[in-house]
Parts: sequence; structure tokens; C-alpha cells
Amino acid sequence: EAGVVQSPRYKIIEKKQPVAFWCNPISGHNTLYWYRQNLGQGPELLIRYENEEAVDDSQLPKDRFSAERLKGVDSTLKIQPAELGDSAVYLCASSLERGAPYEQYFGPGTRLTVT
Amino acid sequence: GQSLEQPSEVTAVEGAIVQINCTYQTSGFYGLSWYQQHDGGAPTFLSYNALDGLEETGRFSSFLSRSDSYGYLLLQELQMKDSASYFCAVSYSSASKIIFGSGTRLSIRP
Repeated sequence: EAGVVQSPRYKIIEKKQPVAFWCNPISGHNTLYWYRQNLGQGPELLIRYENEEAVDDSQLPKDRFSAERLKGVDSTLKIQPAELGDSAVYLCASSLERGAPYEQYFGPGTRLTVT
Repeated sequence: GQSLEQPSEVTAVEGAIVQINCTYQTSGFYGLSWYQQHDGGAPTFLSYNALDGLEETGRFSSFLSRSDSYGYLLLQELQMKDSASYFCAVSYSSASKIIFGSGTRLSIRP
């Protein structure tokens, strides 16, 4: 079974430019998470989806960040415009609500560098 | 709000036993999870405790005391490959709503 897929793996952009990250969760996993992880810190939740509904986006900086999960499968996270402080690893994770919802499967992440 | 505390760094010797503690403050507690993350890698799930007591999975065990808002991860027969960061994470309000600690970096010496 394929794991969580993310692309791109690395992205370098100049500040004020837009950037988008894509995630395809494990097949059948209805819960999808986007996290941001700074060096030496734990993952910080940005948004959580249950199917296509965003059920927790309280930590998403809505002035510049947006996300969508069309058809309740893959998801895109966008930053526009990017700031220097957005440099981090952006992780996508998925879990199965019925069964073990606490067990999250993480993708390899996208390492974003804003210059 | 929710908060977790765990040591930032722990060093241990290969073959030994190490315990990584985690204390938390949360409302609507559901359970405590542990994740392992190697440098440059993705976090991987290790264990979950919803009830008080010890859960054992091979060389790793995890303990929870709900009354003390405390848990720990116990790693036995340490191997060099166990060198990684370990995160405790609390589920609150629902099992899928999770907040992570800042992580404990475990270094193993030969």
C-alpha cells in the first residue's frame, strides 16, 4: 500500500512569491492534516480535514495561507505571498477516523526555503 | 489551552534503557501518543495510551497516568538506529485532534 505522497520535496522561492504544496493521502483515509515543522520543534497543526470539510483551521494564517481538499481525497496548501518566516518543512498526514484515528501517517514533507 | 513538556535532549549508551518523560496540561484529554522522527525523515507512530498503565510493543513501552497528567516512553536494549527525536502528542476533544510536544532528541553512544 502506498504511503502519503507529497510534492514537491523541496522548494526555494523568493519572498512575496506564491507557493503550493500537494498531498495525496493513504487510500481510504478520510482525515487529512497539514502541519508546519520548524527546525528542532514538533509539528504544528495548520488545518485538519474530515473528508472535504475543514474541521479545524484555527492555526491557519488565513491572510496568506489557503487550503482545499476537493472530493475529499488529495489536498493543496498554498501560501501567497510567502514571507521569510514561512521557511519550514510542511508535512501532510492522514488517518482513518474509524479504527485508530490517533495513528497518523506522515508524508516525507516539503522543505520550503524563502529567500 | 493545551501544553506538553518533555526534555529537549537525552543521551544514553547502546544496549541500555532510557525513559523519556512527558507531562501535559489539556482539557478533554483522550490519549497520549508517541512518534519517532529521524533527521530528515517523517514522524512515524510508535504507540498510543488512552487508559492508565503500560503498553508494550517489542523494545518500546509507553506508560500513562491520567491522574498525574504524565506519561513516558521506555526504550530498552538501545540500538544506534534509535537515535532520533521522539515526540509525545496529546489527543484532546477527539482522538484525531492532536497537539505535539517540542520533541526529545535522543543520542545513543557506543
